[in-house]
Amino acid sequence: EADIYQTPRYLVIGTGKKITLECSQTMGHDKMYWYQQDPGMELHLIHYSYGVNSTEKGDLSSESTVSRIRTEHFPLTLESARPSHTSQYLCASSEYVFPLESNTEAFFGQGTRLTVV
Amino acid sequence: GDSVTQMEGPVTLSEEAFLTINCTYTATGYPSLFWYVQYPGEGLQLLLKATKADDKGSNKGFEATYRKETTSFHLEKGSVQVSDSAVYFCALSRGGYQKVTFGIGTKLQVIP
Repeated sequence: EADIYQTPRYLVIGTGKKITLECSQTMGHDKMYWYQQDPGMELHLIHYSYGVNSTEKGDLSSESTVSRIRTEHFPLTLESARPSHTSQYLCASSEYVFPLESNTEAFFGQGTRLTVV
Repeated sequence: GDSVTQMEGPVTLSEEAFLTINCTYTATGYPSLFWYVQYPGEGLQLLLKATKADDKGSNKGFEATYRKETTSFHLEKGSVQVSDSAVYFCALSRGGYQKVTFGIGTKLQVIP
């Protein structure tokens, strides 16, 4: 059973507001991810972290920012929400294992559906 | 870098039809391969996995075999049900600090 949680599940907010999407996992995973999922279903990686105090941008440019102060917590923040930020946001985590051939599946949260009006 | 190529959908099938969703990958070394499923309004769930060449992953009647010679991991099911309607993602990962790489997703709709 995956233990990764996202809150809120749904959020409707006005333009210009600051928002934080929460993501927490209890599995002790070092690697965490934020994906943006468009209506065409494709997953776009927007942020990645491989441990505390390590974050990097993903493949898709995003105005959001992330922090990783604790292993279990990986929040995403939008300083000023806009209608173009309306999307589904998915958080995931996976274990750091070695060697490189090791099995390391990703576990996903339920997602946050964000609507900016 | 790593990449996963997955057939585009949507795929529409009648109940009890045979399902194949193609997936090929590009990666160095020996990655692990996965199929995830996403039901409407939910996050992704692991459906099955294979960690080395010739391994067959299976779950809920779905199967996929890790074919290193053709760099493929095609998803199959002999008889689909309406409840199988979902989006299916092929993925690969390796250990260390490597990220998980996903395909674009294939939407499956099964009609009665």
